[in-house]
Amino acid sequence: AAGVIQSPRHLIKEKRETATLKCYPIPRHDTVYWYQQGPGQDPQFLISFYEKMQSDKGSIPDRFSAQQFSDYHSELNMSSLELGDSALYFCASSSPGLAATGELFFGEGSRLTVL
Amino acid sequence: SQQGEEDPQALSIQEGENATMNCSYKTSINNLQWYRQNSGRGLVHLILIRSNEREKHSGRLRVTLDTSKKSSSLLITASRAADTASYFCATDFPLMDSSYKLIFGSGTRLLVRP
Repeated sequence: AAGVIQSPRHLIKEKRETATLKCYPIPRHDTVYWYQQGPGQDPQFLISFYEKMQSDKGSIPDRFSAQQFSDYHSELNMSSLELGDSALYFCASSSPGLAATGELFFGEGSRLTVL
Repeated sequence: SQQGEEDPQALSIQEGENATMNCSYKTSINNLQWYRQNSGRGLVHLILIRSNEREKHSGRLRVTLDTSKKSSSLLITASRAADTASYFCATDFPLMDSSYKLIFGSGTRLLVRP
């Protein structure tokens, strides 16, 4: 079965550079979530989209922006990168039609290292 | 943590033993879920328990929920080395647009020694 696809899997950037992460949800899933997980930390909710509209915003820095496109894929743009942005970034997808299960399906993550 | 605490933070047991992990949360919930994460990998859904349920089983997993204490526990019976991973609880929050978000607890790192 198709899973959530994230790219790139690994990314190395210098401070103050820009990075873009991409997420392709499971087909027919209309909700996308972004989470950030620092080393040894729990996943922190950043932002979510439902039907291409921003649904909710968590602890996402102003330097970060995201959107969901017409084909439901999503991109997370990070600018003026700081050392503290080094983390695993997870994308997850679901569908409100799956509310009975409430389950989120996670990608394998994009590991960002800022030097 | 955005949600609450899990204890223990780390647990080391021998293969064949049972592992119990606990999770506390702060607000009222619709559902509570448990996820597993192998090191550096994505999170995988294990089991969901609804707020009106007290106990649920799935294979070697047993989850309990005490809404009066705002706590849940995950029991893995007859553990295997392959169960070595981090385990997170998560609660879902409904959003205005009929979607929802998950907020994770701080996780328990389980090591099962062969």
